[in-house]
Amino acid sequence: AQSVTQPDIHITVSEGASLELRCNYSYGATPYLFWYVQSPGQGLQLLLKYFSGDTLVQGIKGFEAEFKRSQSSFNLRKPSVHWSDAAEYFCAVGAGNYGQNFVFGPGTRLSVLP
Amino acid sequence: NAGVTQTPKFQVLKTGQSMTLQCAQDMNHNSMYWYRQDPGMGLRLIYYSASEGTTDKGEVPNGYNVSRLNKREFSLRLESAAPSQTSVYFCATNRDISGNTIYFGEGSWLTVV
Repeated sequence: AQSVTQPDIHITVSEGASLELRCNYSYGATPYLFWYVQSPGQGLQLLLKYFSGDTLVQGIKGFEAEFKRSQSSFNLRKPSVHWSDAAEYFCAVGAGNYGQNFVFGPGTRLSVLP
Repeated sequence: NAGVTQTPKFQVLKTGQSMTLQCAQDMNHNSMYWYRQDPGMGLRLIYYSASEGTTDKGEVPNGYNVSRLNKREFSLRLESAAPSQTSVYFCATNRDISGNTIYFGEGSWLTVV
């Protein structure tokens, strides 16, 4: 069965600094990979997804993520963080053809200092 | 376009009470899901419905039942609530079981005392 780890529970960065959130997955084949963001009291919003092709994918709000098969990673990056980016970020793996096999990581909470 | 709508948004129950969480989607998606979110554990799948007329257990189905009322609606019922069911519940949809992009509602905060 697939699994997802997000090694950082909580990250604090200053506004304007760059950001990288780590995600590692375990799955025997090439998975479908996702990043979602959750603002306080809100549902999860899809930031970006990787299915195949170019391993660097662009998402909304200036985020990008890079799929590295050799490292089983799908790290999320943003060159310059804004205060409004403070939220919780979830990496997810969707394996095979069935939505019921979505597995979410535990989440990384991002705080942004002014 | 409302997307995925959940009701109620907040609920407090006493142990042993029953309640139903409602979910409706206007995205014309075939597949629907109920997740629970607990601190440090991400989201865990409770039940899903691949298409109208079918439901299946997910990772943590005990203590819950579901009904796929029609294509738009998928409800989650707690027959006898327990404090361990205190959580945030999310309904989600997918174009179909192989669509591979899940869209979420805004969540329902449930506290069982």
